[in-house]
Amino acid sequence: EAGVAQSPRYKIIEKRQSVAFWCNPISGHATLYWYQQILGQGPKLLIQFQNNGVVDDSQLPKDRFSAERLKGVDSTLKIQPAKLEDSAVYLCASSLVSSGGTGELFFGEGSRLTVL
Amino acid sequence: GENVEQHPSTLSVQEGDSAVIKCTYSDSASNYFPWYKQELGKRPQLIIDIRSNVGEKKDQRIAVTLNKTAKHFSLHITETQPEDSAVYFCAASKGNTPLVFGKGTRLSVIA
Repeated sequence: EAGVAQSPRYKIIEKRQSVAFWCNPISGHATLYWYQQILGQGPKLLIQFQNNGVVDDSQLPKDRFSAERLKGVDSTLKIQPAKLEDSAVYLCASSLVSSGGTGELFFGEGSRLTVL
Repeated sequence: GENVEQHPSTLSVQEGDSAVIKCTYSDSASNYFPWYKQELGKRPQLIIDIRSNVGEKKDQRIAVTLNKTAKHFSLHITETQPEDSAVYFCAASKGNTPLVFGKGTRLSVIA
């Protein structure tokens, strides 16, 4: 079974530039999450999708971050404009359960963003 | 919302000894408590989880205990091996809410 795919693995940009990350979840997984993991900390939820609808985006900085999951499969996370504090690993995860956090999350390898 | 505290932040043990990592949570309605292991540069992976209807769960050398009254749960690793060296994250959730993670514990097993 293929895992969660993410790209790019690494990205270096200057502040105020924009960046986009892509995620392809495990086939059949209805729920998709984007987490931000700052060095030395635990993953912090940015947004949760169920199919192509947003379930929870309460912690997404909407003035600069946006995410979409068209057709309920792939997802993209965009940051525009980037700030220094956005330097982190952006983890995409998917789960089989139709909603919520009571099932195993399968994480991708992550996209490491460095903002200079 | 839910808040998960984890300690210690770093832990060093001799190979063969036991390791214990503890977490507390704030929302008494939380009912699902997984533990994830993240090796250096790798993705987090689930190693064990427990639901609020049980007090303990074991899987070979790892075990998790849950005290709902005190709102804390712990990960126990016995007979530690060098390959257990990693960062371990606890998490909590309830019903339809996403997982809230602790800040992680870096475990070093010294051969």
